[in-house]
Amino acid sequence: EVELVESGGGSVQPGGSLTLSCQASGFTFRDFWLHWVRQVPGKGLMWVARINVGGNSRSYSESVKGRFTISRDNTKSMLFLQMNDLRVDDTAIYYCVRFSSRITLSGAEFDVWGPGTLVTVSP
Amino acid sequence: QSVLTQPPSVSGAPGERVTISCTGNNSNIGARYDVHWYRQFPGTAPRLLIYANVNRPSGVPDRFSGSKSGISVSLVITGLQTDDEADYYCQSYDNNLRAWVFGGGTKVTVL
Repeated sequence: EVELVESGGGSVQPGGSLTLSCQASGFTFRDFWLHWVRQVPGKGLMWVARINVGGNSRSYSESVKGRFTISRDNTKSMLFLQMNDLRVDDTAIYYCVRFSSRITLSGAEFDVWGPGTLVTVSP
Repeated sequence: QSVLTQPPSVSGAPGERVTISCTGNNSNIGARYDVHWYRQFPGTAPRLLIYANVNRPSGVPDRFSGSKSGISVSLVITGLQTDDEADYYCQSYDNNLRAWVFGGGTKVTVL
């Protein structure tokens, strides 16, 4: 069964750091781009970051650029999100998401989602 | 404020048809980027419902369909069922923002 499972969420004070992990299983991890998407509880979805198959190309949303770092370990089928200088508005559920391998120039879809891990940033 | 615009809510009686619109601009939908739809039940992660505007992943019933016209796309649910109560999100790529973007979500209520 294809599965993504996040861990590492928790409570942290503003300015603090946290690293999220995502363990993948059931598919050839090194063949897929991966993303982090977050959601403030009760609100909508927001894309956070993505990484390519080799880990040498990354992109970030403007709201996290310079503070968050996405990385992966293909030998362990794991995805990471290092979050520094956390702010109250970073409070959200963070989802690890697989990008479809469908070859297209029109933008592929997010085809597998983890259950999410909650990050709470508060004084 | 979301880049893609969806109505906050739609409702219908069991068996009826409801339509959820998703409007973008010339940097995303109008730039011919595909739109994908996700369904999210309370307390769970989103799940892919429609990809590339009109395609259903295996296991998604044909009561769900998508269409695209210009800078707008629509998700149609026919034969509405109580199990369809959920939040629905559209998603695309924006080449001006260089980011994957979502609609604000639409809550479907079955009356």
